Amino acid sequence: DVQLVESGGGLVQPGGSLRLSCAASGFTFSGYWMYWVRQVPGKGLAWVSRIKYDGTYTSYADSVKGRFTVSRDNAKNTLYLQMNSLRAEDTAVYYCARDYSSVPDYWGQGTLVTVSS
Amino acid sequence: QSALTQPRSVSGSPEQSATISCTGTSSDVGSYNYVSWYQQHPGKAPKLMIYDVSKRPSGVPDRFSGSKSGNTASLIISGLQPEDEADYYCCSYAGSQTWVFGGGTKLTVL
Repeated sequence: DVQLVESGGGLVQPGGSLRLSCAASGFTFSGYWMYWVRQVPGKGLAWVSRIKYDGTYTSYADSVKGRFTVSRDNAKNTLYLQMNSLRAEDTAVYYCARDYSSVPDYWGQGTLVTVSS
Repeated sequence: QSALTQPRSVSGSPEQSATISCTGTSSDVGSYNYVSWYQQHPGKAPKLMIYDVSKRPSGVPDRFSGSKSGNTASLIISGLQPEDEADYYCCSYAGSQTWVFGGGTKLTVL
């Protein structure tokens, strides 16, 4: 079975940094593009980033461009999201998701990031 | 990267049908057939219900169907069941390797 398990969330002060991880299993991780999507508690979903299966291409939402960096380690079957210069509006549950036909299909359970002083 | 427009809420009685609309622009929904729909129960991760406008992943009941006309996509749920009560989100490719989601619709099965 496909499994995606996010970790690394927590409380961080504005301007701080955090690195999220997403451990993948049950499929050939190195063969899939991957996404990060976030959701403010009680609100809707918002696409954050996408990375090519070999890590050679990335894209970002305007709201995080220049502050967030997506990467992956195919040897460890792990996806990352480095988040710098965090703002209160970055507070959300962050999900990683696998790509299928250019849309997210399987999703992890998410990790909560809270940006507050 | 403006969010797609969905009704805040939709309701229907068991065994009836419900339709959720998702309106975008000619830069996203209107230009690409990469429209997907997700079901999310409280406290759970989203689940893919429809992709490529109208295709169902394995395991999704055929009561769920999708369509698109112009800049508006629709999710149709026929024969509503109590377990269909959830939040539903549409998503579209928006060009230049970017994606946009809808604001979400709360489906209530009366």
